[in-house]
Amino acid sequence: DAGVIQSPRHEVTEMGQEVTLRCKPISGHNSLFWYRQTMMRGLELLIYFNNNVPIDDSGMPEDRFSAKMPNASFSTLKIQPSEPRDSAVYFCASSRGVNNEQFFGPGTRLTVL
Amino acid sequence: AQSVTQPDIHITVSEGASLELRCNYSYGATPYLFWYVQSPGQGLQLLLKYFSGDTLVQGIKGFEAEFKRSQSSFNLRKPSVHWSDAAEYFCAVGYFGNEKLTFGTGTRLTIIP
Repeated sequence: DAGVIQSPRHEVTEMGQEVTLRCKPISGHNSLFWYRQTMMRGLELLIYFNNNVPIDDSGMPEDRFSAKMPNASFSTLKIQPSEPRDSAVYFCASSRGVNNEQFFGPGTRLTVL
Repeated sequence: AQSVTQPDIHITVSEGASLELRCNYSYGATPYLFWYVQSPGQGLQLLLKYFSGDTLVQGIKGFEAEFKRSQSSFNLRKPSVHWSDAAEYFCAVGYFGNEKLTFGTGTRLTIIP
């Protein structure tokens, strides 16, 4: 069974551009999480979905960030406009739901110049 | 609010030596606890988890961890480390009925010959 799939693996963009990160969770998992990892702040939860519905977006830094999950097999995290301080590794994770472990994707390394 | 402390930012161990990585959590209810490992450029991989029952849990790659309620700790151990164990290790805590996990800041493990 394939794990969590993220694309692209690396993204380099210029300040002000729109960035879209993509995630395909493990089939059968009904919860999906977006995290951001930086040296300064460690691993932060941005938002998570359960059955395609956003449950908690309190970690989303500001209105420039948005996330969607149109169906059980796909989610996007969009940054518009991007800024250099958004440079980080963004992870997607999925789980079978409450009280189950999360499975992480390989991450997308975002660099905003 | 729940929190996780990993007091050691960086640990260096000789190959073949024993290892203990510390993790302390702060939360009133019974937690459920995880240890994840992250190799460079990779996502997080689950090593082991504790939900209930036996307080000594076995994981993959020869790792084990012991839940000590009285000390609010969940330390990770391995009797003999291998060079391939060099990575970053994260402790995470959640609680019953909530999907959110709080991650520690990580401990970077270096193995010397």
